[in-house]
Amino acid sequence: DIQMTQSPSSLSASVGDKVTITCQASQDINNNLNWFQEKPGKAPRLLIYDASNLETGVPSRFSGSGSGTDFTFTISSLQPEDNATYYCQQYDDFLVTFGPGTEVDIK
Amino acid sequence: QVQLQESGPGLVKPSQTLSLTCTVSDGSIRSGGYYWSWIRQSAGKGLEWIGRISSSGTTNYNPSLKSRVTISIDTSKKQFSLRLSSVTATDTAVYYCARMFRGVADYWGQGALVTVSS
Repeated sequence: DIQMTQSPSSLSASVGDKVTITCQASQDINNNLNWFQEKPGKAPRLLIYDASNLETGVPSRFSGSGSGTDFTFTISSLQPEDNATYYCQQYDDFLVTFGPGTEVDIK
Repeated sequence: QVQLQESGPGLVKPSQTLSLTCTVSDGSIRSGGYYWSWIRQSAGKGLEWIGRISSSGTTNYNPSLKSRVTISIDTSKKQFSLRLSSVTATDTAVYYCARMFRGVADYWGQGALVTVSS
C-alpha cells in the first residue's frame, strides 16, 4: 500500500506570509496527488488536483507542484480564512490514501 | 451542481452493523466516469478513505477495513450505501460520501456523525 507523509504537522504564520507544506509518497504516484482544505464542521474542499491544477473557484494564492514521490503545496499570501487543516491525497487504480494533515494556524 | 446527502442512524451499538446511504441529486451516478466513495474522520484524527464503487458495481476497499465493509449502489434510486459490520467505539466518526472522478473527490456530502455506543 502507498503511504503518505506530510510536513510539518502544524505551523503558525502571519497574514501575508508564504506557507509551504510538503507531501511525500512511499512510491511513485506520477501526478496523482490532490490537496484538500478542511475546516471544523465542514466537508473537505478540493483545492488542487493532479498535483498542480487549481480547482474552479479556488483563489490563485493556492498552488501545488511536484510529481513522482515529492509534492509541495503553497499559499502565497496567507489570509485569515486560510486557518484550516490541509491534507494531501493520492490515488492509484484501486486505492486512495490521505496524508495525516497539516494544521495551519494564523498568528 | 451535484449535491450529495448522507442519511442513516446516528447511534449504533457495539458489534452491530453501521448502515448509511448517500443520495445523489443528479444523474451522474449512472455515468461510467465516476466512482462513489465513503470517507470518514474520527474526532481529532485525519481523513480515512473507506472504499468506493463504480456505477457498474465495481468496488475497491481500504485494506484495513475490507473484511468489514460492503458498499453497494442503486442507480435507479440515485443512491449508494455503506455497511460496516462489527463496529466498535473506534468506528465513531463523521462519515462523508463523495463523488470521485479518477480519484479526485470533487463533490462531498455534508457528513453524518455516527456514534458507536451502548
